[in-house]
Amino acid sequence: DAKTTQPPSMDCAEGRAANLPCNHSTISGNEYVYWYRQIHSQGPQYIIHGLKNNETNEMASLIITEDRKSSTLILPHATLRDTAVYYCIVRPKLGTYKYIFGTGTRLKVLA
Amino acid sequence: EPEVTQTPSHQVTQMGQEVILRCVPISNHLYFYWYRQILGQKVEFLVSFYNNEISEKSEIFDDQFSVERPDGSNFTLKIRSTKLEDSAMYFCASNLPGPNSNQPQHFGDGTRLSIL
Repeated sequence: DAKTTQPPSMDCAEGRAANLPCNHSTISGNEYVYWYRQIHSQGPQYIIHGLKNNETNEMASLIITEDRKSSTLILPHATLRDTAVYYCIVRPKLGTYKYIFGTGTRLKVLA
Repeated sequence: EPEVTQTPSHQVTQMGQEVILRCVPISNHLYFYWYRQILGQKVEFLVSFYNNEISEKSEIFDDQFSVERPDGSNFTLKIRSTKLEDSAMYFCASNLPGPNSNQPQHFGDGTRLSIL
């Protein structure tokens, strides 16, 4: 089953870019990488997802390495409201649609 | 922007009682899910539901739990004979089926269930 590894915590200065890494070395060839965040105990908020090309939307950018074994979520100008737990998710295997959440990265944006 | 809505936001129930948690998924979504998060722990998958039947469930989702889509808009989680350890945040999610079913799930803000 595909698994992800993320650092437990990171700090970022307000206004600077936050770069959150994720290792998913066991990802299968056609599985996507999904990123979510959770602020306090609110529901996980979808951020972005991608397969092999880099992706950008109004919230963030996603950089996926060519071998697809890792990815980086970039918040270009972090604000205090970006303080949250960020989850990188790869569905465990083909044919399943469930998400397996890890412990994520707790990002603290500092004023 | 359409969103998943859950009611109630907080439910307090006596141990042994039945509870029903309600969700209204995004209107054109066809896959529905329940997850839970015990305080301080990870978000855990409970069950997925498609075409009026359970497509996948976890070990947590035992005979105490059931899901239903009673009409065209609601998706419910019923917990019979609640236990203290059922106290948690329960999140509903939904998504579209897409090519290779890669569409992201969208989550509600959850129901906090407190069992006394």
